[in-house]
Amino acid sequence: AQSVTQLGSHVSVSEGALVLLRCNYSSSVPPYLFWYVQYPNQGLQLLLKYTTGATLVKGINGFEAEFKKSETSFHLTKPSAHMSDAAEYFCAVRYNTNAGKSTFGDGTTLTVKP
Amino acid sequence: DVKVTQSSRYLVKRTGEKVFLECVQDMDHENMFWYRQDPGLGLRLIYFSYDVKMKEKGDIPEGYSVSREKKERFSLILESASTNQTSMYLCASSLVGGLEKLFFGSGTQLSVL
Repeated sequence: AQSVTQLGSHVSVSEGALVLLRCNYSSSVPPYLFWYVQYPNQGLQLLLKYTTGATLVKGINGFEAEFKKSETSFHLTKPSAHMSDAAEYFCAVRYNTNAGKSTFGDGTTLTVKP
Repeated sequence: DVKVTQSSRYLVKRTGEKVFLECVQDMDHENMFWYRQDPGLGLRLIYFSYDVKMKEKGDIPEGYSVSREKKERFSLILESASTNQTSMYLCASSLVGGLEKLFFGSGTQLSVL
């Protein structure tokens, strides 16, 4: 069975600092990989996804993530944090089998300090 | 703009009541999902549906049932609500295929007293 681990339930950075949110997955086959963001009182929305091809994926709001098969990781980064980045971030995996069921990590809450 | 609409933002019910949570999508998506979101536990899949009248259990189906009579509508039913079902419920939909993203509703915060 697949699983997703997000290291660190809370991450705090200063405005302008690097953001690094970690995601590792456990799977016998490489999955499709997603990062979603949830702002307060809202549903989740897609930040970026990796399906095939280039392993460095760029998303919205200056975020990017790199798929590393050897490390089974898909860490999310942003060079310079902005106050508006404060939110909860979820890493997820999905497959073509099993009706495309997604498995989510437990989430990481990002706080940005002025 | 594409939309997944959940009928209620906040809902307060009594223990033992039958509760219906409704979700409608306007994107002609085949797949629909119900998740439960609790602090520190992420999103846990309750049920999903890949076609009209088709449903599959997710990871935590106990105490829940679902209905999908029309493609655009997916209902979550709590047959007899209990306090441990107090949670945020999120509906999502997607096209068929593992590489497709999920579109989420804004969620329903259910409190069972």
